[in-house]
Amino acid sequence: QKEVEQDPGPLSVPEGAIVSLNCTYSNSAFQYFMWYRQYSRKGPELLMYTYSSGNKEDGRFTAQVDKSSKYISLFIRDSQPSDSATYLCAMSGSSASKIIFGSGTRLSIRP
Amino acid sequence: NAGVTQTPKFQVLKTGQSMTLQCAQDMNHNSMYWYRQDPGMGLRLIYYSASEGTTDKGEVPNGYNVSRLNKREFSLRLESAAPSQTSVYFCASSEVAEEAFFGQGTRLTVV
Repeated sequence: QKEVEQDPGPLSVPEGAIVSLNCTYSNSAFQYFMWYRQYSRKGPELLMYTYSSGNKEDGRFTAQVDKSSKYISLFIRDSQPSDSATYLCAMSGSSASKIIFGSGTRLSIRP
Repeated sequence: NAGVTQTPKFQVLKTGQSMTLQCAQDMNHNSMYWYRQDPGMGLRLIYYSASEGTTDKGEVPNGYNVSRLNKREFSLRLESAAPSQTSVYFCASSEVAEEAFFGQGTRLTVV
């Protein structure tokens, strides 16, 4: 079983919709939870991160972590065509340890 | 402002050939990582280095070796390339796990 599971999609929604992306994990030692965005033929870029449980909001993006369920989510409000990309969740046990990624969800926003 | 630089960007190898992928970062980060990305598989950790002089295996280390030459450079070596190693390889560096910076990737084809 992989440590981090993510639905690969693809996911296609109309412009302006709310998007929900999710990951589950099995390693209870994970403390840092990140979301990366990757455009075609580019390296991933950090979108936002959360430490331990709770919510974090940054503009149209909200990250949620539920450690009791080992489940994390990324919500995108008022989705734009420019949000079309692959979104990867990532996790780490400490600030200096290895980073494990999910398989990524390919998202397409239709104008 | 180079960030993480990978060379080469593209490479075609014949089965059994060897090669070294180079990675250098100019952000004075302690941690460096090598990932491979295959369709539907996300980023899988090959090796990582938490600091100069240390390296640890990741999820898929077989067939690869690494060298942390100094704080800036982290190289990945394929001793005897196999078609299963056809992939896009990404190097990353971080000071803290919650924010890793990626290079632009190396597209490797083994025929």
